[in-house]
Amino acid sequence: DTAVSQTPKYLVTQMGNDKSIKCEQNLGHDTMYWYKQDSKKFLKIMFSYNNKELIINETVPNRFSPKSPDKAHLNLHINSLELGDSAVYFCASSQVRNEQYFGPGTRLTVT
Amino acid sequence: DQQVKQNSPSLSVQEGRISILNCDYTNSMFDYFLWYKKYPAEGPTFLISISSIKDKNEDGRFTVFLNKSAKHLSLHIVPSQPGDSAVYFCAASVGSSNTGKLIFGQGTTLQVKP
Repeated sequence: DTAVSQTPKYLVTQMGNDKSIKCEQNLGHDTMYWYKQDSKKFLKIMFSYNNKELIINETVPNRFSPKSPDKAHLNLHINSLELGDSAVYFCASSQVRNEQYFGPGTRLTVT
Repeated sequence: DQQVKQNSPSLSVQEGRISILNCDYTNSMFDYFLWYKKYPAEGPTFLISISSIKDKNEDGRFTVFLNKSAKHLSLHIVPSQPGDSAVYFCAASVGSSNTGKLIFGQGTTLQVKP
């Protein structure tokens, strides 16, 4: 009964490809997030959705597009992958404003 | 511009002793602070938080102290246990925003030796 799940856990792909990462939460939370942890281990927010509505959109290339079909799901689609996109991507959700629950992460490697 | 900083990349302590992890911030608008713990190949898990109206919050072996004038917070773990070995992230947010946006520090790796 995983609270926040992500698929896949590992993703290896070549430059120029398009890929998606899926996230689902079964906590009944209204808000979901995508974070990127880069090679220097910084965790930086990318997007946030509240009840399927985009509320945070940080300075992220247009190649990244979040999609929220319902409030339990927030998927991340990445077009034209670049070497610099290699990172660990974490999905999170919250109900109480700040206590966010994170998924296990997806390690994306672009070759 | 790094608004939340954890200047010690790593810390090693003996089991049973106190672990003190530090965090500094620059944005005086931050009014809510959190600590997360992360094991390898897992996502961060929420540990403890503190509002800026308090200077201390305690939960079992974990205590967070906030010094607003110094823009500094610390996490104390007493007594430290080998299972506490993990990466600890400090995070901060601005209260007036209901977006839940968290700004994270770069983490401190804690090793507790048996």
